[in-house]
Amino acid sequence: AQTVTQSQPEMSVQEAETVTLSCTYDTSESDYYLFWYKQPPSRQMILVIRQEAYKQQNATENRFSVNFQKAAKSFSLKISDSQLGDAAMYFCAYRSAGIGNQFYFGTGTSLTVIP
Amino acid sequence: DTAVSQTPKYLVTQMGNDKSIKCEQNLGHDTMYWYKQDSKKFLKIMFSYNNKELIINETVPNRFSPKSPDKAHLNLHINSLELGDSAVYFCASSQPTPTGELFFGEGSRLTVL
Repeated sequence: AQTVTQSQPEMSVQEAETVTLSCTYDTSESDYYLFWYKQPPSRQMILVIRQEAYKQQNATENRFSVNFQKAAKSFSLKISDSQLGDAAMYFCAYRSAGIGNQFYFGTGTSLTVIP
Repeated sequence: DTAVSQTPKYLVTQMGNDKSIKCEQNLGHDTMYWYKQDSKKFLKIMFSYNNKELIINETVPNRFSPKSPDKAHLNLHINSLELGDSAVYFCASSQPTPTGELFFGEGSRLTVL
């Protein structure tokens, strides 16, 4: 089974600064999809950004961007101009393109934004 | 107009009781899931149904029984509740194509006393 590793249980960032959350994964597949989800204290899981493995261009959504390194199996999330509302748990997820299309989640990174 | 809705949002119950959580999605998705999130925030897949058919059944005690009356609904029934069952249970749905993201419900916090 695929594994997703988030090596930073907790991170903090000053408001308006930039922070990068790390994610690595292990797979033998060549085709797959990667996601970052945000879980604020309200506990609702919200999709932040998505990356297709066959695309070399890194995905961007406003202040959120990824650094996707396929050979290194790395998928980090960069949050620019951090805002208080960015404080949340962030989960990296891998979706197989194969049978079952199962999702695999990392253990999460808790992000604190310091005013 | 909630996409994935689950009820109830909170349950508090005694050990040994039986409880159910209901989930409905109005997105027209074929695949639905149940995830368990423990106190350390780990998200663990429990079950997955595609068009009412069970396709993923992770190592979960058989006290947990999912039921999918149609592809828009996936309910979770738990028998003989134990203290370790206390967690947040998330229902989610997606299309089976790999590009499809997971859409989550708001979660149901179960507390077993």
